[in-house]
Amino acid sequence: GIQVEQSPPDLILQEGANSTLRCNFSDSVNNLQWFHQNPWGQLINLFYIPSGTKQNGRLSATTVATERYSLLYISSSQTTDSGVYFCAVELGNDMRFGAGTRLTVKP
Amino acid sequence: DAGVIQSPRHEVTEMGQEVTLRCKPISGHDYLFWYRQTMMRGLELLIYFNNNVPIDDSGMPEDRFSAKMPNASFSTLKIQPSEPRDSAVYFCASSSGYSYNEQFFGPGTRLTVL
Repeated sequence: GIQVEQSPPDLILQEGANSTLRCNFSDSVNNLQWFHQNPWGQLINLFYIPSGTKQNGRLSATTVATERYSLLYISSSQTTDSGVYFCAVELGNDMRFGAGTRLTVKP
Repeated sequence: DAGVIQSPRHEVTEMGQEVTLRCKPISGHDYLFWYRQTMMRGLELLIYFNNNVPIDDSGMPEDRFSAKMPNASFSTLKIQPSEPRDSAVYFCASSSGYSYNEQFFGPGTRLTVL
């Protein structure tokens, strides 16, 4: 099946710093999503981005489908950005999640 | 809208018992998803429904798992009989429109099977 790899596995930032999270996938995909799971376990959909670039406030995402990767950018990080960021790819009816990047933003 | 509602929030049961998890999607959403999250396997999509009809259940681990959606406002995930390896957090999510577009997640049910 399709493989999804996220990097880095862990990231520690000082509040105000910028960061880039990466998601590589092993095959062409129909769709890709980014999710955030906060420290209390709540999952939130951030972006639905099979290709191109989207922005939502301090967050933006870019997917280059032909090169099989997606990037999530977090600018001016805040402590509330802490948690785990997952990417998930869809191929047909198969949806696979990466193992996530655990982000800790320190005040 | 109250968002996606799941019940119970926590369930502790003994091996061999039947477990039923419940989900109420956001009103008007026509897709419903069940996910499982464990330390070992991470997040997995178990099954999803469109207009109450199961579309893909290839992620359901075994015949012990079954899911139903009798109407647009209610779905259940049942495990019978339960085993310790079923211990996980089970999330329900719903969306409007295309299958994986802007899913809204419930708070999850933490299941512990002793």
